[in-house]
Amino acid sequence: AQSVTQLGSHVSVSEGALVLLRCNYSSSVPPYLFWYVQYPNQGLQLLLKYTTGATLVKGINGFEAEFKKSETSFHLTKPSAHMSDAAEYFCAVSDTGNQFYFGTGTSLTVIP
Amino acid sequence: DTAVSQTPKYLVTQMGNDKSIKCEQNLGHDTMYWYKQDSKKFLKIMFSYNNKELIINETVPNRFSPKSPDKAHLNLHINSLELGDSAVYFCASSQDRGRGKGGYTFGSGTRLTVV
Repeated sequence: AQSVTQLGSHVSVSEGALVLLRCNYSSSVPPYLFWYVQYPNQGLQLLLKYTTGATLVKGINGFEAEFKKSETSFHLTKPSAHMSDAAEYFCAVSDTGNQFYFGTGTSLTVIP
Repeated sequence: DTAVSQTPKYLVTQMGNDKSIKCEQNLGHDTMYWYKQDSKKFLKIMFSYNNKELIINETVPNRFSPKSPDKAHLNLHINSLELGDSAVYFCASSQDRGRGKGGYTFGSGTRLTVV
């Protein structure tokens, strides 16, 4: 069975500080991994994805994530947080089935 | 043009009523989904259709019935609404069936409130 664990349901950072949102997964096959962002009262927007190839992937809005197979992790980072980054972030994994498995989300607060 | 559009955006209704939520995608994707997001932001898949064929039907009450008249549309009909049905419902689509290599494209959601 596949699962996604996001450590920390709430993360607060100061504006300009490093953002680190953690995601660990379990999968019986090499996974496809995704990060989505949900702004208040909006749908989910794809930030970045890893399917194959380079393990460090860059996404929109300055975010990036690194696939670490040995650690079964796909943590999301951004060097410098902006106020506009405040949102809910979801990690997701896709295996050979027909669906994504989403984590429970991490709410990011940016403190001015 | 909105890629995945849902209507209505907000829906307030009384217990026992029947309501529908419509979803349309103009991306040419083959697979469409309905997700339910509860008050704690948890996302749970409800249904998935590939080219009008039901491929995922998770354990949801049979009061929920999806209908896909064509591969660009996936509607959700809910009978005898209950308080516990209050949630945000998201429609999504993906190019491929299966692993969704390209990712999912989500609609902006329908916030259903049952009173």
